[in-house]
Parts: sequence; structure tokens; C-alpha cells
Amino acid sequence: DAGVIQSPRHEVTEMGQEVTLRCKPISGHDYLFWYRQTMMRGLELLIYFNNNVPIDDSGMPEDRFSAKMPNASFSTLKIQPSEPRDSAVYFCASSYGSREQYFGPGTRLTVT
Amino acid sequence: GENVEQHPSTLSVQEGDSAVIKCTYSDSASNYFPWYKQELGKRPQLIIDIRSNVGEKKDQRIAVTLNKTAKHFSLHITETQPEDSAVYFCAANLGGSARQLTFGSGTQLTVLP
Repeated sequence: DAGVIQSPRHEVTEMGQEVTLRCKPISGHDYLFWYRQTMMRGLELLIYFNNNVPIDDSGMPEDRFSAKMPNASFSTLKIQPSEPRDSAVYFCASSYGSREQYFGPGTRLTVT
Repeated sequence: GENVEQHPSTLSVQEGDSAVIKCTYSDSASNYFPWYKQELGKRPQLIIDIRSNVGEKKDQRIAVTLNKTAKHFSLHITETQPEDSAVYFCAANLGGSARQLTFGSGTQLTVLP
């Protein structure tokens, strides 16, 4: 298995633009998580899905952020409009049941 | 609010010495405590975890201890090597949620050759 796949690996965009981050979880995993990592706030859970259904989005910072999981093998995290304070590394992770969460390589987002 | 506190934020040890990182959590309902290692520019990776029905777990040079009464758990690395240098994060499933993890702020461990 290739592990959790994220794209793009790096994204540089201007303030006000829409940004879409993509994630493919490990096949067979039923949980998918989106995290954001910054120096100031550390590693924060934004939202997670179980069997493609959003379970808890209380970590989503504001309405500019949205996430979808249209099927078991694909999820997106969208920021519209983006702001410089959204600059961070965004990780997607997946797990099966109560087992280990496997992280993807992350997307480094820079908003100028 | 509910959180996980981690200390120290930085730790330097000589190669071959032991390193200990400590975390405390606020919610007595928590029952799952993983530790992740993150090398520079890489993803976090699970190195060991412990559930509340045990007090200690070992895996070669790594061990984790849990004190549920005091609500703290610790990572112990013995015979440290330069490749152990990384940021280590503790986490807990605050609220006893099967899936939601709250992470500590991380410890930058440097093993000096």
C-alpha cells in the first residue's frame, strides 16, 4: 500500500484565492482526519470523517474552511478565500477502527 | 478547556543517555495515549501507544508509563542515538472519544554525538 497520499505537496497562493487540498486514505480505512500544524498552535484536529460522514468539525477555524469526503477513497479540504494566517502544513491521516492513525506527507500551504 | 500539556519543550542529551518526556491530561475519561515522532520536514509517525488498562508498555529502547490517578504519562528512551533526534508529540483521546486525539505541544529532542 502506498500509504496516505496528499496533493499538492506544496502550494503557494495569494490572499483571497481558493485553495483545495486533496487526500487519498489508505484503502480499507474507515476514518479520515484533517490536521493543521503551525509553530504557534502545534498540531490541531480540524475535522474527521467516519465512513465518509463528517463526525466532528468543531476544529474548523471558520466558515472559510470546508471539507468533503464524496467517497471512501477521496477527501478535500477547501479554503475560500485564503488568508496569510492560513499558512501551515496540513496533514491528512486515516485509520481503521480504533487502530493507529497513519499520516500523509502533508501539504505545505503558503498564502502571500 | 480540555488539553494535553507536554514538558520539556526542548531536551538535549548525550548519546547513550536516557531521555524522558512527560505529559499531563485534563480529562479522566481519556483511555488512549499514543506517542508520535516527527523528523524535520516529515510526517508524524506512531512509535508507541498505551491504553488505560495497563501501566507500562515497552518496545525495545522505548517505553511508556501511565499513571491514571495522577493523569500523566511519560515516554522513556534509553541508550539514545543520534537518529532519535526529532520532535516527539504525546496525545490523548480527551473525552474518551474513540477517535479524536488532542496533541501536546511537542518536545524537540537532540541527541548529541
